Amino acid sequence: GESVGLHLPTLSVQEGDNSIINCAYSNSASDYFIWYKQESGKGPQFIIDIRSNMDKRQGQRVTVLLNKTVKHLSLQIAATQPGDSAVYFCAEKDGAGSYQLTFGKGTKLSVIP
Amino acid sequence: DAGVIQSPRHEVTEMGQEVTLRCKPISGHNSLFWYRQTMMRGLELLIYFNNNVPIDDSGMPEDRFSAKMPNASFSTLKIQPSEPRDSAVYFCASCGGANEKLFFGSGTQLSVL
Repeated sequence: GESVGLHLPTLSVQEGDNSIINCAYSNSASDYFIWYKQESGKGPQFIIDIRSNMDKRQGQRVTVLLNKTVKHLSLQIAATQPGDSAVYFCAEKDGAGSYQLTFGKGTKLSVIP
Repeated sequence: DAGVIQSPRHEVTEMGQEVTLRCKPISGHNSLFWYRQTMMRGLELLIYFNNNVPIDDSGMPEDRFSAKMPNASFSTLKIQPSEPRDSAVYFCASCGGANEKLFFGSGTQLSVL
């Protein structure tokens, strides 16, 4: 889940297992959500997005689930690989035509070979 | 496309000096964003431009910070005078519209001594 304070929550997963990273958002008016992956020394990289009229979207090895009732978003990574080790951020956008994305604090995923 | 290009990748300067960070957005993208990332505060939006016009600069921390976008292919973020607390990674990002995904550059690691 999202962090409070200085330390990022960390998820350690065995290679080959599935990973689930959670995110709670606060703005009920948000209508667009994105997951980003950030590797050390690099900028955030787009993984997958979902709009508020959907509750599930699948990509290659990744699935995003959206539960608007409880304002919860999750990212599922199937068959986690060492290259998936990174910090994962969820971001939300207000539906009022805004360009502004609000980012969560991130979750660090560590894949154990 | 080469993606969002930022320069320099690293900048080390002394307190009081002027710092200029540069960004070239993805060709055809009409929105450009400057973010700052620190361990304490995560990713913070500083300012964004739409069609070269500053739309929201409420995230700019102080008058020491200024940003310009003289044309569709270039933007600068300037800090004058710089202070040690400005040390962070500064990211530039661009997108093609309000409902389009945001693409980030590799960032500029700024250290103010």
